[in-house]
Amino acid sequence: GQQVMQIPQYQHVQEGEDFTTYCNSSTTLSNIQWYKQRPGGHPVFLIQLVKSGEVKKQKRLTFQFGEAKKNSSLHITATQTTDVGTYFCAGGFQKLVFGTGTRLLVSP
Amino acid sequence: DGGITQSPKYLFRKEGQNVTLSCEQNLNHDAMYWYRQDPGQGLRLIYYSQIVNDFQKGDIAEGYSVSREKKESFPLTVTSAQKNPTAFYLCASRVRGDSNQPQHFGDGTRLSIL
Repeated sequence: GQQVMQIPQYQHVQEGEDFTTYCNSSTTLSNIQWYKQRPGGHPVFLIQLVKSGEVKKQKRLTFQFGEAKKNSSLHITATQTTDVGTYFCAGGFQKLVFGTGTRLLVSP
Repeated sequence: DGGITQSPKYLFRKEGQNVTLSCEQNLNHDAMYWYRQDPGQGLRLIYYSQIVNDFQKGDIAEGYSVSREKKESFPLTVTSAQKNPTAFYLCASRVRGDSNQPQHFGDGTRLSIL
């Protein structure tokens, strides 16, 4: 079945440093969604990418969908302590397959 | 205020006992989902339902059962056949199952074995 892997599994940065998580699917995706889960909380939808090569920005967050629609990335510029949490990508049509997640820890 | 309500927040199960986790949504969504999350892990799909009176198994359905008698409700029963039930259970919904719409999640239920 479809598998979605994310790297790194965990990253610890100092506040102000940049952060990137990469998402790779074993199959071509019709779309990719990104979610953020704060510690102890539930996943919250961030954004969706649909077109090949699409790039979207939300303030300090930049999301990219690969040309082959099999990979995606999330880049955070100048991290803040409020960015702490686990970031998941998810792809699929009738049922979403979630990636393994990247846990981000930001030290002040 | 529309949303997804999961109850209880914490649940303890005794050996040989079945327990039911509640999930109710007032978003008028057709599709509903149950996920299991183990510590430090991703989300694994247990069951999903795209319409009332219909549901499909996800990747880890063994030891679980569901029903979808009403659009608003999608309860999950963790049966005694599930030998390792300790986990965080998340319910989600979205407008339609065959759409690109995002999923909305409830606050989750933490299940532990007594």
